[in-house]
Order: sequence, then C-alpha cells, then structure tokens
Amino acid sequence: KNEVEQSPQNLTAQEGEFITINCSYSVGISALHWLQQHPGGGIVSLFMLSSGKKKHGRLIATINIQEKHSSLHITASHPRDSAVYICAVGDQFYFGTGTSLTVIP
Amino acid sequence: NAGVMQNPRHLVRRRGQEARLRCSPMKGHSHVYWYRQLPEEGLKFMVYLQKENIIDESGMPKERFSAEFPKEGPSILRIQQVVRGDSAAYFCASSPPRSGGYTFGSGTRLTVV
Repeated sequence: KNEVEQSPQNLTAQEGEFITINCSYSVGISALHWLQQHPGGGIVSLFMLSSGKKKHGRLIATINIQEKHSSLHITASHPRDSAVYICAVGDQFYFGTGTSLTVIP
Repeated sequence: NAGVMQNPRHLVRRRGQEARLRCSPMKGHSHVYWYRQLPEEGLKFMVYLQKENIIDESGMPKERFSAEFPKEGPSILRIQQVVRGDSAAYFCASSPPRSGGYTFGSGTRLTVV
C-alpha cells in the first residue's frame, strides 16, 4: 500500500469549474505539501500545511490531521491551471502519484 | 536571489559512462534533497544532505549512486556506469534550516543511450 493516495488520477474540467483534488496518507507527518508540475517542466511548491486551511489566489488547501486527509481546491479554473498536482508528506517526502488536470476553454 | 539551480538541464550518456548532476541551493538554504522521476512514474525520494553530511540516503540505490554536498560548491549526484534504467528526470530541492519551505530546481533530464 502506498503511503500517499491521491484521487482522481486524471481530471478534465471546463473553464470556470470548481475543482477538488484529494490526498490521503497513512504515515505520521509534521507537514503536507501540494506541488504543481507543468508538462516537461519543473516543480513548484504551492502550499505547505500542518493544520487548517491556506489560500493563495484561486487555490485553497485544507488538511484534517485526525483523518489524515487533505484537499486542494481550485476556484474558477483556467486552462493555465492544467498541470499535474502532487501531494507530498513527511520530512523527506513520500509522494502521491499525482493528479493530471486538464482545463478546457 | 536566484532559485535552485540545476545543471545541466539535459544530459545524454552512453551506457557505462558516468553522469554528474549538479544542484546549487538557494542562498541561505543549507538542506538539499534529491528526487528521481522515472518515465510515467511518480517522484521518489533519493537522498537528503546538509553541508558535508548525508542525513538520509534511504532512497538511494545501493550501487553506482552517490551524493555529496561539500562545504563549498554545489551538491553533486553521481551515477557511475549508467544503464538505460537510469534514464529519468532528477530534481533537487533545497530548504533553509528548521523550516519546511522547499524550493525545487527545474530538474536534469538524463537519457542513457
């Protein structure tokens, strides 16, 4: 069993839709990270969470430590949001397999 | 303040050659992490280093792979006698001490022919 499970694996949305990506983990952690990877490109750290909720622009990340679950939400999705979103936990990172998001104009 | 610099961006090696991947952390960051992303697979942790110390190498293959982060200069990931299965994207990240604020480099894409 993977330490980090993400769902869905693939997601296609119409521009403007509200998007949710989920992450469940089985290890004890001090923080959880959401990362964004564009095709052929590098990796950007979006959020680091240890509790509660964080918001940055149209992105919102929440975490429930007791339930070992986190969600990444994108409001008013845009084609430029198309990327792979990766959940990572632990000090040296266990990674989820990623959610490939495509936003269609 | 430049971000995490990795070079080269692309590296082609013939089977049996050595590959040396370099990572210069952000200014003020003393912790360096290396990750590997195999084609069609997710990211995997390889090694965590601080200056002149390997802190956690639990993700490193037992043979042919080594990493260092000297007092001066970049961190180096070295792969000896490369094989086709080493073809992957290798990412480096750095963070300051006592903080989880990670910054990733753009990666080195290694192709073994």
